[in-house]
Amino acid sequence: AQSVTQLGSHVSVSEGALVLLRCNYSSSVPPYLFWYVQYPNQGLQLLLKYTSAATLVKGINGFEAEFKKSETSFHLTKPSAHMSDAAEYFCAVLSGGYQKVTFGTGTKLQVIP
Amino acid sequence: DTAVSQTPKYLVTQMGNDKSIKCEQNLGHDTMYWYKQDSKKFLKIMFSYNNKELIINETVPNRFSPKSPDKAHLNLHINSLELGDSAVYFCASSPLIPGQGLNTEAFFGQGTRLTVV
Repeated sequence: AQSVTQLGSHVSVSEGALVLLRCNYSSSVPPYLFWYVQYPNQGLQLLLKYTSAATLVKGINGFEAEFKKSETSFHLTKPSAHMSDAAEYFCAVLSGGYQKVTFGTGTKLQVIP
Repeated sequence: DTAVSQTPKYLVTQMGNDKSIKCEQNLGHDTMYWYKQDSKKFLKIMFSYNNKELIINETVPNRFSPKSPDKAHLNLHINSLELGDSAVYFCASSPLIPGQGLNTEAFFGQGTRLTVV
């Protein structure tokens, strides 16, 4: 069964510093992977997705993620954190025979001024 | 605006009551979902419908009954509400990949915060 594991439930970075949020997947078939962001009291917004095309995926708000099959990873990065990036981030995988999106446990990103 | 919209946004009710949450999407998607997000932000799928047909039922108590009158609507009815049902419920929809019959990313509504007292 496809699943994702997010390492670190809380990550703090200084404004302007690199953001790195970790996600590892387990899948017996080529995975479709996603990163979503959830701002307080809001729904989930898709940041980016990997669908077996380019391994480096660029998303909105300056985020990108690299699919590494050898490491079974799909880490999310942003070169320079902004205060507005403070939110909950979820890694997700299309699972159940590509019938549903299954989420990781989430990582709360705090940006320190 | 094109979106997934759900109502109400907030719902406070007493234990034992029956309540419904409505969801509509005008994105033309074939698949719709209900997710539950608990107090620790953990998101778990409850149901999935594809063109009005139930596809996924993730061992949710029988008190929860989804209804899809058409592929643009997926409502959630909850009977005999319990304290443990307090959570944020998200509706979502997903398009099918043309020619493959596979879903892709899910588009989410703003959520309904249910509080059972």
